[in-house]
Amino acid sequence: QSVLTQPPSVSGAPGQRVTISCTGSSSNIGATYDVHWYQQLPGTAPKLLIYGNIHRPSGVPDRFSGSKSGTSASLAITGLQAEDEADYYCQSYDSSLSVAVFGGGTKLTVL
Amino acid sequence: EVQLAESGGGLVQPGGSLRLSCAASGFSFSTYVMHWVRQAPGKGLEWVSAISGPGRDTYYTDSVRGRFSISRDNSKNTLYLQMGSLRTEDMAVYYCARAFCGSDCSRGYWFDPWGQGTLVTVSS
Repeated sequence: QSVLTQPPSVSGAPGQRVTISCTGSSSNIGATYDVHWYQQLPGTAPKLLIYGNIHRPSGVPDRFSGSKSGTSASLAITGLQAEDEADYYCQSYDSSLSVAVFGGGTKLTVL
Repeated sequence: EVQLAESGGGLVQPGGSLRLSCAASGFSFSTYVMHWVRQAPGKGLEWVSAISGPGRDTYYTDSVRGRFSISRDNSKNTLYLQMGSLRTEDMAVYYCARAFCGSDCSRGYWFDPWGQGTLVTVSS
């Protein structure tokens, strides 16, 4: 049972827009801790996709965007491409546990 | 280029020990908090342990405290995870990762980059 809750799977056709939600609580996302997102392509290590809720590292396409409100955050992917098929994880910090916490991951399937 | 490279994984029997290493390059290793994160087969990511830049402060998830020990050798730009009393539930790919918090560390931190991971298999 992950501290942050994500849908197990989402899907979309090429060119479409999908969103992945990440729901936390008052001790993590709701406590003003930032949310970060990682992309994990099959058989590879996680890669930073979004940091500080909304910021994209150099090299990440602007098709990827993040947002945060209250105790939740979202990752949006527009103009879906086959290469976006991967697992996506949200991450924050939890003040009650005093550790970094992750969502359970969301598998994105491009139809 | 900033890089992390883990090594030391392998097959170990329940109750056994293993030491993982993570070689860092391309950045000032001693100035960063370093972490271990693991991923059990087919499962999500789980934070395991962290160590401060000088190595004085260490942190562990409850399930490994007392069995695992994190350390670092800043002269060798290398992070370690000594794992003991291994259990089947410790079986996972172990990643080392650098922590970043930007200009305001009170808002938490993120992990970038990650190493390629090393697989620890616990089985008799």
